Amino acid sequence: DVKVTQSSRYLVKRTGEKVFLECVQDMDHENMFWYRQDPGLGLRLIYFSYDVKMKEKGDIPEGYSVSREKKERFSLILESASTNQTSMYLCASTQSYGESSYNEQFFGPGTRLTVL
Amino acid sequence: KNEVEQSPQNLTAQEGEFITINCSYSVGISALHWLQQHPGGGIVSLFMLSSGKKKHGRLIATINIQEKHSSLHITASHPRDSAVYICAVKRYPTFVFGPGTRLSVLP
Repeated sequence: DVKVTQSSRYLVKRTGEKVFLECVQDMDHENMFWYRQDPGLGLRLIYFSYDVKMKEKGDIPEGYSVSREKKERFSLILESASTNQTSMYLCASTQSYGESSYNEQFFGPGTRLTVL
Repeated sequence: KNEVEQSPQNLTAQEGEFITINCSYSVGISALHWLQQHPGGGIVSLFMLSSGKKKHGRLIATINIQEKHSSLHITASHPRDSAVYICAVKRYPTFVFGPGTRLSVLP
């Protein structure tokens, strides 16, 4: 059974703290994604990675950074958490990268982050 | 105007009803993905399609590439179908997501 796991389901942090969200997939997928989901705005792409040590900015990268040191693990880092980063964070992965690839996304369970 | 739109935004149905959720998009795509999100956050993949029609149990998805439109149908709806249904279009190199349709099926 394919699986994407995230390090926490719920997280509460204070303004200014450094926050690490971890995502691990066991499907040997090349591509991994970090999204945030807010009411009325849907899922928005923060960053994605198509290979180890490779990363690309998504639509809303400001205030975030990522790390992919191993193929199965993709970390999202909030350098200095702010209240407007309170959100649901979802990690996803797909098998391959390319214009014609036809691979569905597999999602983790999500991390609900609250920044006080 | 959003690149991916869904209608209706919210839908309440009685158990057993036939349900249709629509997705329209304004960009060229190579595939379209229907997803289901239950309360609590987890998202599961329902269908990925680039043409025609796919069926899985009581769920049917269709796509018309020329009209840039896809529909998700649920036959004989059940309260366990209550969830948010999300349409996502594959636009290289990633996906663009619709806002979701919240479905409640009442017993």
